[in-house]
Parts: sequence; structure tokens; C-alpha cells
Amino acid sequence: EAEVAQSPRYKITEKSQAVAFWCDPISGHATLYWYRQILGQGPELLVQFQDESVVDDSQLPKDRFSAERLKGVDSTLKIQPAELGDSAMYLCASSPFGTGELFFGEGSRLTVL
Amino acid sequence: AQRVTQPEKLLSVFKGAPVELKCNYSYSGSPELFWYVQYSRQRLQLLLRHISRESIKGFTADLNKGETSFHLKKPFAQEEDSAMYYCALSGRGGATNKLIFGTGTLLAVQP
Repeated sequence: EAEVAQSPRYKITEKSQAVAFWCDPISGHATLYWYRQILGQGPELLVQFQDESVVDDSQLPKDRFSAERLKGVDSTLKIQPAELGDSAMYLCASSPFGTGELFFGEGSRLTVL
Repeated sequence: AQRVTQPEKLLSVFKGAPVELKCNYSYSGSPELFWYVQYSRQRLQLLLRHISRESIKGFTADLNKGETSFHLKKPFAQEEDSAMYYCALSGRGGATNKLIFGTGTLLAVQP
């Protein structure tokens, strides 16, 4: 069964360093999401792509976060510089266009020291 | 503003007891509601959506627009139901299908 792939699973970095996460959605899924989940909270949407276009990045801290999906397939989320408050699980999800059913990856857990 | 509220962080019940996980929402339009579940060491996955009106693993949820609620219910809890449950809301008809999650409720079913 096809699944959303994410890497790395775990990342430990020092504050002010750069960090990047990669996501490969399920083949054929036009919509890709990046969520951030802080411990004890629900997932919070950071950015949503429709194919290669950003359709919602209203909650993305654009001074330090960037996201791209150049060919409308896989995606990268970057943080530069990382801050202590960025420690969280970063979840990628994909869905067929027009549905609210999201398929999640296992997530990338970031710890900023 | 869109908002999903799950008032209980933890719900502990005994096996065989009824379960009700509460979810209230705030949305000005016509929402689509979902329940997602995360079992231990597994990825977050869809449990059910209100438009399908089906029972999954014995769970049901009815959308009550008057009370703006979408509570998840199961008549007899099983130990394997222990998991984190998230209620989520999406606006219907929009192009983005932005999904807003609640803070989640941890269901612990005791033997």
C-alpha cells in the first residue's frame, strides 16, 4: 500500500542552524500539506500546496521557514535559523484533490538545543 | 474563525463501557467534520467523516449543527481502542480543503 514518506525521522540541531525536511507524497495526490505538532497539541497547518502552487501559507513563519514543491511531487520544508521553540513533530500529508481525507507520513521530530 | 475544541485531554474507561469523545466546532459556513486517530507507534489516520455516515470499528459520530458538535461514540469500548483521537474541520466548497485539528483526546481503555 502506498504511503507518504518523510525524512529524516529524527533531527537534533543547535539553535541558529539550518534544518530541512523532505516529503514524498502518495503518487497522484495533488495536494500536499506540512503540519507542525507541538507536544500536547493538535497538528497546526504550516503550508498547503496544490500541485506546485502554494494555496495557504498563512501560518508559516516566513522570516525563517520556507517550503517548496518545485515539480509538484515531493516537497522540502526548511527552517533557517532554527529556534528553541521550533522543537516539534513536522508532519507531511497528501490527499487527492477535492477530498478532506489526508494521508500522513510518520513525521520528522525536530529537537533544537 | 474556524476552531475545533476537544475539552478532554484524557478519557479513561473500562473495557465494555460506553465511550463518548467530545468535539465542538466554530465555523461560519458549511463544515465537513472528521475524526482522525493515532494508535501507539502508528501514523495519524482517518477514522471517519460525517458525510459518509458510516460506522468504523464500532465508532459513530453525528453532526449536530444546532449544538455545533461532532461527538464520537462507541457503545462498548475495547482495549485496542486506546489511542489519541483528533477531531478536525474543513470548510466545504473551497479549493484549499484546509483541515483544522483540535488538541486531541487520549482514550485509555482499562482491562
